[in-house]
Amino acid sequence: EPEVTQTPSHQVTQMGQEVILRCVPISNHLYFYWYRQILGQKVEFLVSFYNNEISEKSEIFDDQFSVERPDGSNFTLKIRSTKLEDSAMYFCASMRVRSHEQYFGPGTRLTVT
Amino acid sequence: AQKITQTQPGMFVQEKEAVTLDCTYDTSDQSYGLFWYKQPSSGEMIFLIYQGSYDEQNATEGRYSLNFQKARKSANLVISASQLGDSAMYFCAMRDPGADTGNQFYFGTGTSLTVIP
Repeated sequence: EPEVTQTPSHQVTQMGQEVILRCVPISNHLYFYWYRQILGQKVEFLVSFYNNEISEKSEIFDDQFSVERPDGSNFTLKIRSTKLEDSAMYFCASMRVRSHEQYFGPGTRLTVT
Repeated sequence: AQKITQTQPGMFVQEKEAVTLDCTYDTSDQSYGLFWYKQPSSGEMIFLIYQGSYDEQNATEGRYSLNFQKARKSANLVISASQLGDSAMYFCAMRDPGADTGNQFYFGTGTSLTVIP
């Protein structure tokens, strides 16, 4: 069964550094999402992406964040200058057209020290 | 105000019994979507069920059903015939097409379900 993959599974970075989290959505899906989950807390929506552009973003998704689909398979989340409070699990999800079922990747645990 | 409220931080259910996980939501929009996700201890998020605000019938997916009461703004998840593998965190979520923000997804704080053998 096709699945969403994410790399790396765990990323440790120093405060102020840039990180890029990578996701490979399911190949025939056209909607892509990033969420984050601070340890022990609820999942928070960051951004949705369709047709090579951001379709929606939350208040969390400020200028520090950006997303890109650099080629036909990868979908990346860049955090420009990481802060301690960016430490969280970051989930990528994808969804095909005319569906409501988002398929989530296994997540990348980001630790900012 | 919270968009999604899950008032049960933890629930226990006997194996093979049914259990209801509560969810209430807050929106002023007429068109919205409600979701339930399961998050096992391994951490992945698994889609369970979806209910559209205009759907007249309650959604069902196997042992999962969504008790949708629009006037009360509640979307409770019912799991029938609980299995040990159902032990997990369960999140209620809403897609809310706010006028200013477009489609946003809001999650509740989750309910930890433990199935007792």
